[in-house]
Amino acid sequence: GNSVTQMEGPVTLSEEAFLTINCTYTATGYPSLFWYVQYPGEGLQLLLKATKADDKGSNKGFEATYRKETTSFHLEKGSVQVSDSAVYFCALSLIQAGTALIFGKGTTLSVSS
Amino acid sequence: DAGVIQSPRHEVTEMGQEVTLRCKPISGHDYLFWYRQTMMRGLELLIYFNNNVPIDDSGMPEDRFSAKMPNASFSTLKIQPSEPRDSAVYFCASRSGQSSYNEQFFGPGTRLTVL
Repeated sequence: GNSVTQMEGPVTLSEEAFLTINCTYTATGYPSLFWYVQYPGEGLQLLLKATKADDKGSNKGFEATYRKETTSFHLEKGSVQVSDSAVYFCALSLIQAGTALIFGKGTTLSVSS
Repeated sequence: DAGVIQSPRHEVTEMGQEVTLRCKPISGHDYLFWYRQTMMRGLELLIYFNNNVPIDDSGMPEDRFSAKMPNASFSTLKIQPSEPRDSAVYFCASRSGQSSYNEQFFGPGTRLTVL
């Protein structure tokens, strides 16, 4: 079946540290991949996306590269800020499997100053 | 654009009561999704609509849950009777069928507590 696996959290970092949140997927077709972010008390917001192999999505200093060979879409940021503290969700979409997004369980990031 | 609007933002009710959650999607979006988020199960898709028609309700946990979309600008998720295990945050999301990326826009959620 189709699924998304994220690294377990929480991830605790100091400000300006390097961030990696791992995400791998299993898909019966050729998915589009997404990272969503959920700040405390809010809904999910799209952070970045990639629709084909080797695409790099980027936004707000975050990046993720669609790696078909390793079925991965790891999220990275070179220097995190306290304001990046949130829950991050990796997700995939397969048009041939319907239009719903399939989410990972989420990874909580906590950044301290 | 106001984004996806959900009401109420918080709901506290007693077991056995009926609960109705409301959602207004972004104008022009023809897909609407209802999700449930809990610590144990993460984010689960309950049901989604296309052009006001339910397409996949396989995620609806049981007959106590029902969802309707009477028009393009309004949807409800009803739980009757409610149980403590229904306590969760319920999100509504919408997207445009014109989007090739399947980007969904989420509302702020309704935090439901069933005592």
